[in-house]
Amino acid sequence: TQLLEQSPQFLSIQEGGNLTVYCNSSSVFSSLQWYRQEPGEGPVLLVTVVTGGEVKKLKRLTFQFGDARKDSSLHITAAQPGDTGLYLCAGDTTSGTYKYIFGTGTRLKVLA
Amino acid sequence: KAGVTQTPRYLIKTRGQQVTLSCSPISGHRSVSWYQQTPGQGLQFLFEYFSETQRNKGNFPGRFSGRQFSNSRSEMNVSTLELGDSALYLCASSLSTSGSSYEQYFGPGTRLTVT
Repeated sequence: TQLLEQSPQFLSIQEGGNLTVYCNSSSVFSSLQWYRQEPGEGPVLLVTVVTGGEVKKLKRLTFQFGDARKDSSLHITAAQPGDTGLYLCAGDTTSGTYKYIFGTGTRLKVLA
Repeated sequence: KAGVTQTPRYLIKTRGQQVTLSCSPISGHRSVSWYQQTPGQGLQFLFEYFSETQRNKGNFPGRFSGRQFSNSRSEMNVSTLELGDSALYLCASSLSTSGSSYEQYFGPGTRLTVT
């Protein structure tokens, strides 16, 4: 079974703090996406990483794809209450059968 | 460009009934995927349609079915509803042309409650 495990599952942090969310798998991914979902809404795409070792920045968010393309991380600096939400990683594996899978999710709450 | 739209947004059904959910993808997107999201199971892939053909399918019972029309709009049907089918059903569209449907654009979802 191909799984994308995210850690931590829950995270509460004071405004201004820094945090890192991890997304790990035993499978190799041809690309990996990060999404943020707010209550009652669909996930919103934040970024796509494709190349092993790739680092992308989106304002205070930094995304990294592992060298072996099996893992990824999301780092948020100076977290703000607007960053609150469910963060999901997702990717399409390089296995012969197409399968696009989502991670288990990290629920982040930033306290003002 | 208009985003992905889903109708209805909320639905309450009784156990044993059937339901049809609708999804209109972003203009130009030919791939439509459906997901079920519950607090316990997270986001689970139901199926993907591309050019009116089901291209991929998740591990859901045959009560869950879908179809895609020539204008890429898609419908999902659940027959003989069970209490456990209560969930947020999300539709996502993608440009996908090669079988790799990364960069999904999601609709707001349909919240289905089965009583």
